[in-house]
Amino acid sequence: QITLKESGPTLMKPTQTLTLTCTFSGFSLSTSGVGVGWIRQPPGKALEWLALIYWDDDKHYSPSLKSRLTITKDTSKNQVVLTMTNIDPVDTATYYCAHRPFRGKYFFDYWGQGTLVTVSS
Amino acid sequence: EIVMMQSPATLSVSPGERATLSCRASQSVGSTLAWYQQKPGQAPRLLIYGASTRATGVPARFSGSGSGTEFTLTISSLQSEDFAVYCCQQYSNWPLTFGGGTKVEIK
Repeated sequence: QITLKESGPTLMKPTQTLTLTCTFSGFSLSTSGVGVGWIRQPPGKALEWLALIYWDDDKHYSPSLKSRLTITKDTSKNQVVLTMTNIDPVDTATYYCAHRPFRGKYFFDYWGQGTLVTVSS
Repeated sequence: EIVMMQSPATLSVSPGERATLSCRASQSVGSTLAWYQQKPGQAPRLLIYGASTRATGVPARFSGSGSGTEFTLTISSLQSEDFAVYCCQQYSNWPLTFGGGTKVEIK
């Protein structure tokens, strides 16, 4: 059974660096084809994809946020970490991590429960 | 960036009726289209991928169709648990993009 769970701060101040951790079970990020992505959703708004990391450590980032994002994995701990620098109130959102199941297919079949991050001075 | 547009924004349907939701891409995405269901306070749930393949455990009343730029999600007979927001996602081009969602509410 695949599960994912996000963890990190709930309240941040502008200009700080946000670090979110996704801890997962039921699969390994060393298995060929597997990926883990981050997606966020501002309150009442649409989903926005942020980043994806793959079993081979390849990565994809949203072009609009690429300069501020870093995604890494720790296969031994079954964790994926997303850092976002210089955060702003517009970054207030629920942040989800999700499992990408198939090589070459970039949708998400299992999602974490999400973690709400509020950015306010 | 491929823009995904969904219509209508809100669909009012009575239980047992059919619901038809539309998703349009700003350029062709072939069949690389997924549909998700999201209930308040919950994470999205994958319903359909490849435009028409139901994900594991998804009831047969959910069906997806279309290719290129026009896609449809049909719920053949709405059950109480189906009232939710539905969004589409293209995975043809980077960046991955989602539609704004259609809220299916009880009429």
